[in-house]
Amino acid sequence: LAKTTQPISMDSYEGQEVNITCSHNNIATNDYITWYQQFPSQGPRFIIQGYKTKVTNEVASLFIPADRKSSTLSLPRVSLSDTAVYYCLVARTSGGYQKVTFGTGTKLQVIP
Amino acid sequence: NAGVTQTPKFRILKIGQSMTLQCTQDMNHNYMYWYRQDPGMGLKLIYYSVGAGITDKGEVPNGYNVSRSTTEDFPLRLELAAPSQTSVYFCASSYSRGETQYFGPGTRLLVL
Repeated sequence: LAKTTQPISMDSYEGQEVNITCSHNNIATNDYITWYQQFPSQGPRFIIQGYKTKVTNEVASLFIPADRKSSTLSLPRVSLSDTAVYYCLVARTSGGYQKVTFGTGTKLQVIP
Repeated sequence: NAGVTQTPKFRILKIGQSMTLQCTQDMNHNYMYWYRQDPGMGLKLIYYSVGAGITDKGEVPNGYNVSRSTTEDFPLRLELAAPSQTSVYFCASSYSRGETQYFGPGTRLLVL
């Protein structure tokens, strides 16, 4: 079971860039890193996924160093609507079955 | 596509009662998952399925049972409800292991 470690909470002002780092020291060769966002009373929703280096989409960027033991989700110019819990997951896309764990996530509070 | 649907949205059970939480997906996904989320906590995997007829335990399977007779449906059964099972239950599906999970809106369960 690939475990991850994230900060419990973060605060940021509107318009700032927010970086949330996740540690996954026992990541395996064929594991991917995925980030989800969860608003209160809703199920998590996918933000971004990556394997190495950098991935960017319309809402976020994901930075993964060469050793892949950590990853950083970057949210550019956050707004109040980005207040949510962010989860980092490590999941295998090949090989045997793997149980994925969401952990406790990082609660991001965006301040006006 | 409706995505992942869950019923009921909310239910109150008495201790010792049983019930089935329904989950249906219309994306032809092979993998389906049941999670529970206690207040202020992350999601914990209860059971998952990699295809019709194949299920396996997650982190917290005690007190629950599942079946997967079709690709679309993955019901979760609580046989003898206990207060410790008060939680929000989320069903999710993905095309394959490691792929993006799509979540349902959740079922809020209160056991008194």
